Amino acid sequence: GENVEQHPSTLSVQEGDSAVIKCTYSDSASNYFPWYKQELGKGPQLIIDIRSNVGEKKDQRIAVTLNKTAKHFSLHITETQPEDSAVYFCAASGSGGGADGLTFGKGTHLIIQP
Amino acid sequence: GAGVSQSPRYKVTKRGQDVALRCDPISGHVSLYWYRQALGQGPEFLTYFNYEAQQDKSGLPNDRFSAERPEGSISTLTIQRTEQRDSAMYRCASSFGPDEQYFGPGTRLTVT
Repeated sequence: GENVEQHPSTLSVQEGDSAVIKCTYSDSASNYFPWYKQELGKGPQLIIDIRSNVGEKKDQRIAVTLNKTAKHFSLHITETQPEDSAVYFCAASGSGGGADGLTFGKGTHLIIQP
Repeated sequence: GAGVSQSPRYKVTKRGQDVALRCDPISGHVSLYWYRQALGQGPEFLTYFNYEAQQDKSGLPNDRFSAERPEGSISTLTIQRTEQRDSAMYRCASSFGPDEQYFGPGTRLTVT
């Protein structure tokens, strides 16, 4: 089955700086890669996703890049703000060809220092 | 519109009892997923449905766990003869198509 590795486990950045979180996956058949933000006491919130036919996707301060050859994808947050502090999870799915369960990484605790 | 809802939000039960956790997906969403999340970890896939059909139950830990979605909307995850190791946050998600899963607030299960 799929295995997703996520790094780093904790990331502390100064407000206004950029943050990058990286994930690798094992199943070359995976074709859908979402990112979730989870705040304390809440469920994971989908913030951006990318499919395997695209190399990069951007939504305001958030961008995701995908390298299918190397089987890794990354989340980039620019101009970080205090409200970006949360745990971020990457995930992968799609080897089943239709709706599929997600395999998640272990999460990155992002801390934005004022 | 309303998001995914789950009930109860908290459940404390004694070891050996059965529990039923409920998920009400976003209206119109075809697919419904169950996950389990341990503290400090990412959600772990358990099972999912397209309409009322259970498509994949490979993530269910053992035969004490079962799920149903009889009318293709609300789903129930049942854990029989609960054990302390079953204590976790149980999360439900739904999606309209094959991607973009939206999660509910979860049910915190504690087995004493």
